[in-house]
Amino acid sequence: GAGVSQSPSNKVTEKGKDVELRCDPISGHTALYWYRQSLGQGLEFLIYFQGNSAPDKSGLPSDRFSAERTGGSVSTLTIQRTQQEDSAVYLCASSLEAGVAINEQFFGPGTRLTVL
Amino acid sequence: GNSVTQMEGPVTLSEEAFLTINCTYTATGYPSLFWYVQYPGEGLQLLLKATKADDKGSNKGFEATYRKETTSFHLEKGSVQVSDSAVYFCALNQRTGANNLFFGTGTRLTVIP
Repeated sequence: GAGVSQSPSNKVTEKGKDVELRCDPISGHTALYWYRQSLGQGLEFLIYFQGNSAPDKSGLPSDRFSAERTGGSVSTLTIQRTQQEDSAVYLCASSLEAGVAINEQFFGPGTRLTVL
Repeated sequence: GNSVTQMEGPVTLSEEAFLTINCTYTATGYPSLFWYVQYPGEGLQLLLKATKADDKGSNKGFEATYRKETTSFHLEKGSVQVSDSAVYFCALNQRTGANNLFFGTGTRLTVIP
């Protein structure tokens, strides 16, 4: 079946602009995660959605970052007033649900963001 | 807190060599442990997992054993192939709350013929 998809695959923007990154999780997966993969920082957790519950935003690096998940499916990560240090690959993952013994997360191909 | 420390790369091996990539962790409670692999041009894929002490995860000839006493989850393969060239990430999650994964920094493996 279809895996996690993300768009765009690449995004180049100028410093100070806003960007939106999209994630389509696997159908039926109630848990959705955003991570960031950057040089020197490895893979960092950003935000987590579980069904219709309030998201866990504990990993967001600043208030310029926000995310929403509409209808419990598609998610959009928004970065406002982008900075050069936001340049990274943004990964989305989904899983059947959280809180179970084995939480296999399935990852999308990522969006490579470059801030000039 | 939760953290994962894994062997710095890059690692270069000849085909059929033995592979070990070290991984140790710090965590509260009893986390689940994972190895993810990222092949060139592809997304992260789960390679293997273990959910409790002394469990051994295995897949595609790779193995890792959950060692609570040494807080380790080292990845091993007896005979690597060129197709194993990839970046390998050790990770844990706590099975509570967000269940987000905590990753190591990744180890790039290159296998030469």
